[in-house]
Amino acid sequence: GAVVSQHPSRVICKSGTSVKIECRSLDFQATTMFWYRQFPKKSLMLMATSNEGSKATYEQGVEKDKFLINHASLTLSTLTVTSAHPEDSSFYICSALPEDGYGYTFGSGTRLTVV
Amino acid sequence: KNEVEQSPQNLTAQEGEFITINCSYSVGISALHWLQQHPGGGIVSLFMLSSGKKKHGRLIATINIQEKHSSLHITASHPRDSAVYICAVKFSGNQFYFGTGTSLTVIP
Repeated sequence: GAVVSQHPSRVICKSGTSVKIECRSLDFQATTMFWYRQFPKKSLMLMATSNEGSKATYEQGVEKDKFLINHASLTLSTLTVTSAHPEDSSFYICSALPEDGYGYTFGSGTRLTVV
Repeated sequence: KNEVEQSPQNLTAQEGEFITINCSYSVGISALHWLQQHPGGGIVSLFMLSSGKKKHGRLIATINIQEKHSSLHITASHPRDSAVYICAVKFSGNQFYFGTGTSLTVIP
């Protein structure tokens, strides 16, 4: 079945630095990828929709300059948390929609801790 | 309005018990996922359903389109089943809406 690889699974960074998270579809092409964030003891919340070759669509309240999304190819989307602060510490997860629109798949998530 | 409700929020069971987790949604859907999230945070998609029933090992997922309801069953539960189980629903667009999750603890 369709597999989405998310990397890294865990990252600790210093406040003020930037962190890049990769979401890669391994055996299919994904025209659309989604980035979610999970706050402690809360459900996953959609941050943005990433479309290959075009600008990402951000949900209300998500700072596009802080959470940079790049979907440069049909198999890779990246989320860069810029100038990270402790309040950005969270669990981030991506999901990918194959070109045929079937078999939605989730990455395994990235635990970001900003110290 | 697109809403997803999951119950129960927390569940403690003895090893070997049969477990049911429920998910209800507000309007028609195109797909429903059951996800498992372990304490480390990683998420695994257990099932994707659009109708009927699916079975994988000790896990069974059912969906009733008319009643807008899905259930995840675990037979002969085991401590390693302890995790958060999340219902994720796709309505008319491509975005998934998530239930708040059910935290399951299976006691030996």
